Amino acid sequence: SQTIHQWPATLVQPVGSPLSLECTVEGTSNPNLYWYRQAAGRGLQLLFYSVGIGQISSEVPQNLSASRPQDRQFILSSKKLLLSDSGFYLCAWKVQSNSPLHFGNGTRLTVT
Amino acid sequence: GNSVTQMEGPVTLSEEAFLTINCTYTATGYPSLFWYVQYPGEGLQLLLKATKADDKGSNKGFEATYRKETTSFHLEKGSVQVSDSAVYFCALINTGTASKLTFGTGTRLQVTL
Repeated sequence: SQTIHQWPATLVQPVGSPLSLECTVEGTSNPNLYWYRQAAGRGLQLLFYSVGIGQISSEVPQNLSASRPQDRQFILSSKKLLLSDSGFYLCAWKVQSNSPLHFGNGTRLTVT
Repeated sequence: GNSVTQMEGPVTLSEEAFLTINCTYTATGYPSLFWYVQYPGEGLQLLLKATKADDKGSNKGFEATYRKETTSFHLEKGSVQVSDSAVYFCALINTGTASKLTFGTGTRLQVTL
């Protein structure tokens, strides 16, 4: 069966520090991969998605970047965190065009 | 473009009460519709789905019917439990949108004894 791993679960980082969140998927090949952010008390915002290795689409201009170095690995990064980067970051995957998304357990990032 | 509108929360109910969370959508063509649930501190879990008009998705006592004539996908449960307390998200996906889901803003449900 397919599983998705996301880590770390929680992270506290100072303003100006770098960020790297990792997500891996097991049990499937060539998935579409997604990074969402959920700010406190708000809905889900799609940040990046990828339909293949090295293919990244950005949905909103921001302080973050994403990379997909391997088929089932998706990384969210920042060179210098801002206070406004705090939030709950969710990785997700899917296969067929109209199939549902499957989410990881999320990473709660607090920038201090 | 695609959009999803959910009723504002929070919704507070007593245990065993009837639940309705409204969801309406705007989309061209024939989207697939989903309800996700997010328990505190966790990621989102797929609760139910419907892929064509008049389909009824159901799971764990929750139901939602895909109504194309009213562009709605309201979530219902006949008797809620304290363990149903969570945030519920309505979402849609449409062909030709690079497989991106469009989510509503979420509705927080609080069930009390």
